[in-house]
Amino acid sequence: TQLLEQSPQFLSIQEGENLTVYCNSSSVFSSLQWYRQEPGEGPVLLVTVVTGGEVKKLKRLTFQFGDARKDSSLHITAAQPGDTGLYLCAGGGATNKLIFGTGTLLAVQP
Amino acid sequence: DTAVSQTPKYLVTQMGNDKSIKCEQNLGHDTMYWYKQDSKKFLKIMFSYNNKELIINETVPNRFSPKSPDKAHLNLHINSLELGDSAVYFCASSRRGVGNTIYFGEGSWLTVV
Repeated sequence: TQLLEQSPQFLSIQEGENLTVYCNSSSVFSSLQWYRQEPGEGPVLLVTVVTGGEVKKLKRLTFQFGDARKDSSLHITAAQPGDTGLYLCAGGGATNKLIFGTGTLLAVQP
Repeated sequence: DTAVSQTPKYLVTQMGNDKSIKCEQNLGHDTMYWYKQDSKKFLKIMFSYNNKELIINETVPNRFSPKSPDKAHLNLHINSLELGDSAVYFCASSRRGVGNTIYFGEGSWLTVV
């Protein structure tokens, strides 16, 4: 069974701080996606990475896919209250089936 | 315009009842999904349809029966509801193929009492 473990599970920080969320698995994925989910809404895609070692930046968010394509990280610089939400990584394989991570609930206090 | 819309958004029902959740997407996608998110926020795929054809059917009780009348609609019918069925159910859609963006609906919050 493919599993994606995220850490930390919960994170509460002050506005302006930096943070990193990790997504780890023992399985290899052909692609890795990161989603953000706000209360009462469905997850919304932030980024897709497909190459081992790939780094993508989205404003203050930096995403990295591990060299072996088994793990990924999301780094947020100077967090803002608007970054608050549930962050989910999701691994893709040979089919349309996405395996979602266990989630990281981020709260950024003003 | 809402890309993936599902109804109802909230549903409270008694154990043993049968209920349906409807989903429609206006993105022209071939592939539609149902996901279940439990109280710990864990999101797991239940079903996937490609152009009205079932392609993924995870280990889901057969009380859950998806129906796709056309490629823009994927409804979920649940028979004999149990307490453990309480969760948020998300409909989603994507283009056919691996690694494409999946667009989620806003979720249907089902509470079984």
